Amino acid sequence: DTGVSQDPRHKITKRGQNVTFRCDPISEHNRLYWYRQTLGQGPEFLTYFQNEAQLEKSRLLSDRFSAERPKGSFSTLEIQRTEQGDSAMYLCASSFGSGGAVDTQYFGPGTRLTVL
Amino acid sequence: KQEVTQIPAALSVPEGENLVLNCSFTDSAIYNLQWFRQDPGKGLTSLLLIQSSQREQTSGRLNASLDKSSGRSTLYIAASQPGDSATYLCAAAYNFNKFYFGSGTKLNVKP
Repeated sequence: DTGVSQDPRHKITKRGQNVTFRCDPISEHNRLYWYRQTLGQGPEFLTYFQNEAQLEKSRLLSDRFSAERPKGSFSTLEIQRTEQGDSAMYLCASSFGSGGAVDTQYFGPGTRLTVL
Repeated sequence: KQEVTQIPAALSVPEGENLVLNCSFTDSAIYNLQWFRQDPGKGLTSLLLIQSSQREQTSGRLNASLDKSSGRSTLYIAASQPGDSATYLCAAAYNFNKFYFGSGTKLNVKP
């Protein structure tokens, strides 16, 4: 068990560019979450996958954001036409659960995005 | 709308002191409450998870309690050490896909 990994760890981009982040969850985990965290705040939920199905999306996830989890393994989060307000830490978490059970989430180290 | 509040926002204590961090939530219909630790620029590390049917959980020098009726949870740290310095976050889970985090308490333990 190598934990949740995220790539890249840091990304600096110019306004208007597209960026893509990757998350590799713990291998046996069927649930995957994306969060956004700004300085001095707790993480805010963005979206949730159970296996390959995206079952929940926050209203924070505008049309410029898209997430995928092909084959229920790794996940990608893409932001199109980035804006300065997108600058934040993007965190991925995974867990294993069935039915309505709520289990411990394991977080990755995050990708820090800076939009100039 | 579910809200999670943590008080204080920052806390500085001398090494060896026992301390309590507070977390309150507006909707008592939680599934569980989880405490995390976050070091600067890093992800979150799970410390303790309390199911809604439980009153407390312990791990080493950490003890977390949950009072659903009053909408409160506390994290007790015994005999604090400089290595405990970090931001501590609580998260209330209302479903397997709905987690609400507080803004955290930044703890500084002075040698």
